[in-house]
Amino acid sequence: DTGVSQNPRHKITKRGQNVTFRCDPISEHNRLYWYRQTLGQGPEFLTYFQNEAQLEKSRLLSDRFSAERPKGSFSTLEIQRTEQGDSAMYLCASSSSGADYGYTFGSGTRLTVV
Amino acid sequence: EDQVTQSPEALRLQEGESSSLNCSYTVSGLRGLFWYRQDPGKGPEFLFTLYSAGEEKEKERLKATLTKKESFLHITAPKPEDSATYLCAVQGSGGSNYKLTFGKGTLLTVNP
Repeated sequence: DTGVSQNPRHKITKRGQNVTFRCDPISEHNRLYWYRQTLGQGPEFLTYFQNEAQLEKSRLLSDRFSAERPKGSFSTLEIQRTEQGDSAMYLCASSSSGADYGYTFGSGTRLTVV
Repeated sequence: EDQVTQSPEALRLQEGESSSLNCSYTVSGLRGLFWYRQDPGKGPEFLFTLYSAGEEKEKERLKATLTKKESFLHITAPKPEDSATYLCAVQGSGGSNYKLTFGKGTLLTVNP
């Protein structure tokens, strides 16, 4: 068990460019979540997968955001036509059903849009 | 909509000076209340889950308690390595019962 892995750790991009982040959850976890955290705020829910099915998307997730989890393993989060307001830490977490330990979070991807 | 309010926003303690952090919440059917620790530039690290009023859990110098409206994280004789942001989150049973709603956190600084 190597924990939840996120890549890249940091990403600087120009406004209008597309970016993609990757999350590798703990292998036996069937649930995967994406959260976004800005400075001084707690994480905010973006989307949730159970196995390969995306079961919920927050209204924070505009049409420019898309997430996938092919074959129920790793997940990707893509942001198209980035805006300065997209600058944040993007956190991935995973869990298994009925776990008494909440989620296990990754270290996040810090996105800076310039 | 589930809501979590944490206080104080920041707390500065001397090493060995015990204190408590507060987490007030409103939720439609509490499935669980979670405490996390977050170090700068890292993801939240799980500490405790509490499920019902009256429940308490301990880990080293930390003790979490739960009532029907709030939770406390008690820190006994803190050390500088306890310095971090402490996040509280709730999981409700209405609607999205797997989603965590977080507070803004309490930034704890423990001076040697």
